[in-house]
Amino acid sequence: DQQVKQNSPSLSVQEGRISILNCDYTNSMFDYFLWYKKYPAEGPTFLISISSIKDKNEDGRFTVFLNKSAKHLSLHIVPSQPGDSAVYFCAASRGSGGYQKVTFGIGTKLQVIP
Amino acid sequence: GEEVAQTPKHLVRGEGQKAKLYCAPIKGHSYVFWYQQVLKNEFKFLISFQNENVFDETGMPKERFSAKCLPNSPCSLEIQATKLEDSAVYFCASSQTGTSGRLWRRNEQFFGPGTRLTVL
Repeated sequence: DQQVKQNSPSLSVQEGRISILNCDYTNSMFDYFLWYKKYPAEGPTFLISISSIKDKNEDGRFTVFLNKSAKHLSLHIVPSQPGDSAVYFCAASRGSGGYQKVTFGIGTKLQVIP
Repeated sequence: GEEVAQTPKHLVRGEGQKAKLYCAPIKGHSYVFWYQQVLKNEFKFLISFQNENVFDETGMPKERFSAKCLPNSPCSLEIQATKLEDSAVYFCASSQTGTSGRLWRRNEQFFGPGTRLTVL
């Protein structure tokens, strides 16, 4: 049973437009959420995170929104750039101490078209 | 080092053979994690260590899989008697916890490039 769900396997966006990647979770015990970006033949790279006490966190072109009541989060990338083309993994953990295991979704492949 | 290193990059084993994967965490990081990524992109947590001690092994298959993190040595993940379903990319990650002054470090696991295990 998947506890972190990314229902869109792929997404194509024009360069300069907004990319919105969605994620749902089922485990109410999760209180820390992360997005990782992955290029082929590389390990995932941390992108941005959000604690459950917040509903928004912004870092440059990347913003993560959290709707706790709906158990939903989204990653917005504005403006999208061709270099953003990668697989994006939504992830969650219980606690933010850095020592907890992370539960991943199956990823959304983003293609940014020049 | 400044990056998580994993060796080998690729490993091919016949069914029933042993496979051993290695991971050197980032220097100074206290926690090491192993994840298995199978074909559908799903990452499965296997085991984590706090220094040389097992911290969480709830994802570790009871049989055939074992792992160690010994002082002054790379961490290792060993699969005895590999099966076809063990074919996957195995990622190691490390993290550093605790406070820096009055600031909490964020929960970030740094991942290595992975070892692709193919069982024939």
